[in-house]
Amino acid sequence: AQTVTQSQPEMSVQEAETVTLSCTYDTSESDYYLFWYKQPPSRQMILVIRQEAYKQQNATENRFSVNFQKAAKSFSLKISDSQLGDAAMYFCAYRFLYSGGGADGLTFGKGTHLIIQP
Amino acid sequence: DTAVSQTPKYLVTQMGNDKSIKCEQNLGHDTMYWYKQDSKKFLKIMFSYNNKELIINETVPNRFSPKSPDKAHLNLHINSLELGDSAVYFCASSTAGGNVEAFFGQGTRLTVV
Repeated sequence: AQTVTQSQPEMSVQEAETVTLSCTYDTSESDYYLFWYKQPPSRQMILVIRQEAYKQQNATENRFSVNFQKAAKSFSLKISDSQLGDAAMYFCAYRFLYSGGGADGLTFGKGTHLIIQP
Repeated sequence: DTAVSQTPKYLVTQMGNDKSIKCEQNLGHDTMYWYKQDSKKFLKIMFSYNNKELIINETVPNRFSPKSPDKAHLNLHINSLELGDSAVYFCASSTAGGNVEAFFGQGTRLTVV
């Protein structure tokens, strides 16, 4: 079974600075999807960024970018110019497929609580 | 216009009761899910349903059952509620093609007393 590990339970960064959240995963598949989701205090799960494993290029969405190292099975999230609104729990997720069919699901890491210091 | 909506947002009930959480998606997705988030914020998949098959996570008690009246709905029924069922339950949906990202509802906080 795939596992996703987020080794930083909590991170703190000054507003306008850059912070990197780490994520490692374990899989025997060669093609898969990885995601970062953000969960603010409102509880809503919001997609931040996605990465397809067969794409060499690291995904970027405005201030958010990933460092995807397929061989190392690492998928870190970099947030540039941190803003107060970035404060949230961040979850790394791996999309897996159930054997024999098209059904799928997400395996999540335990999350990193990001604090933004004004 | 909400993409994935769950009702209710909050549910407080006594042990032993039976309750349901409703979920509807208007995205035309072909797969729907239920996830459970425990008190430590850990998210775990409970069910995956794509009209052709229902996959049940082996750790889910059989007191939990999903019901899909149509492609846009996947409701969660829970029988004989226990204290340990207290958690936030998320409904989500996605489509097999495209970017396969899952869209989540706003969650239902279930408290069993």
